[in-house]
Amino acid sequence: DGGITQSPKYLFRKEGQNVTLSCEQNLNHDAMYWYRQDPGQGLRLIYYSQIVNDFQKGDIAEGYSVSREKKESFPLTVTSAQKNPTAFYLCASSPRRGGETQYFGPGTRLLVL
Amino acid sequence: AQSVSQHNHHVILSEAASLELGCNYSYGGTVNLFWYVQYPGQHLQLLLKYFSGDPLVKGIKGFEAEFIKSKFSFNLRKPSVQWSDTAEYFCAVNAGYGGATNKLIFGTGTLLAVQP
Repeated sequence: DGGITQSPKYLFRKEGQNVTLSCEQNLNHDAMYWYRQDPGQGLRLIYYSQIVNDFQKGDIAEGYSVSREKKESFPLTVTSAQKNPTAFYLCASSPRRGGETQYFGPGTRLLVL
Repeated sequence: AQSVSQHNHHVILSEAASLELGCNYSYGGTVNLFWYVQYPGQHLQLLLKYFSGDPLVKGIKGFEAEFIKSKFSFNLRKPSVQWSDTAEYFCAVNAGYGGATNKLIFGTGTLLAVQP
């Protein structure tokens, strides 16, 4: 069953902690993306990766970090430097570098305690 | 900078009413255009897309959208909505198609509630 999986579904973080959100895809897609969704603001791009071992900052990368060591995996770390981390985080992938449809995972909701 | 505007933040319709959701983008070059839908508790999924050719594109569940290049618009339409169309709808643009990037720029979304 092909698709994108994100875990966990809900994540609680204490102030000052780093947390890592998982994103795995078995669609053999080259490109992967992380978005943040906030009410009334749509989706905003955090980081994206077009190929293994390479990634670029999106529009709101401050306070986040990523790695792309494997084609299938693109974990996102929300660091303590992110001042407003409570949000819904969506991972996506697409088959090529330019112009192709992006496919989304189910999302992870992060709550700061 | 490129941007996408969705004019309606909340829309409430009765079943069988017609729907039109506005989407305008700001980019003068070649674009790919998308409408995504997020049903309650479900993944964000593709509703329809325009890459080239016929500017009137048809998607799933009876939705269609028309690309009007002169107006920088890509409005979503459905002639008769159903209660199951209740969802949040996002317009997105991939500017600079053919380049080295596949960045999507999303609008802020329109929350559609269909009353039975």
